[in-house]
Amino acid sequence: ETGVTQSPTHLIKTRGQQVTLRCSSQSGHNTVSWYQQALGQGPQFIFQYYREEENGRGNFPPRFSGLQFPNYSSELNVNALELDDSALYLCASSQGQGVPRNSPLHFGNGTRLTVT
Amino acid sequence: AQSVTQLGSHVSVSEGALVLLRCNYSSSVPPYLFWYVQYPNQGLQLLLKYTSAATLVKGINGFEAEFKKSETSFHLTKPSAHMSDAAEYFCAVRGREDMRFGAGTRLTVKP
Repeated sequence: ETGVTQSPTHLIKTRGQQVTLRCSSQSGHNTVSWYQQALGQGPQFIFQYYREEENGRGNFPPRFSGLQFPNYSSELNVNALELDDSALYLCASSQGQGVPRNSPLHFGNGTRLTVT
Repeated sequence: AQSVTQLGSHVSVSEGALVLLRCNYSSSVPPYLFWYVQYPNQGLQLLLKYTSAATLVKGINGFEAEFKKSETSFHLTKPSAHMSDAAEYFCAVRGREDMRFGAGTRLTVKP
């Protein structure tokens, strides 16, 4: 069983630039969620994709956007980067509708984004 | 709305001592609760989850948690700490679409 994989592992960008992070979901999982984890804090929900549609969003501005592809992989795009966007970005996959809500999320190792 | 609060941002124990990490939840509906562990430069790994089938939940690596509705708590314990348990631990509750995490507790294990 292949787990959740994310790329790249580390990234350095300059304020104002744009960035794309990638995620491949665990085999058999059709739902992908993205989380932002700032240093010393718990992960914060950005959004979730199910069947290529966004079906949940946290308190993040529109410059955070995403895509999900037919193979359930996903991208997180962040435009006009700000210094506060520096964080670990975690992708998590799960099985979608019809499964018990006590089903856990399965996380990748994350992408460490540094904005200078 | 569902939320969790972790009491204590940093816990330090000696090797072989009891580990107790505290988590309280707030939920207007029966909660779905989880504990995750995060090692340096890694993602989150599931330790255990509350399924409502039993109030005492056993997880991996010798950890367990007890759901206490009267206290709205879901504390994580391990009878004897190992050096390899040093990590960040997160309590979480399932929201409508998301997982809501506490701020985390960093566990340090002293030799």
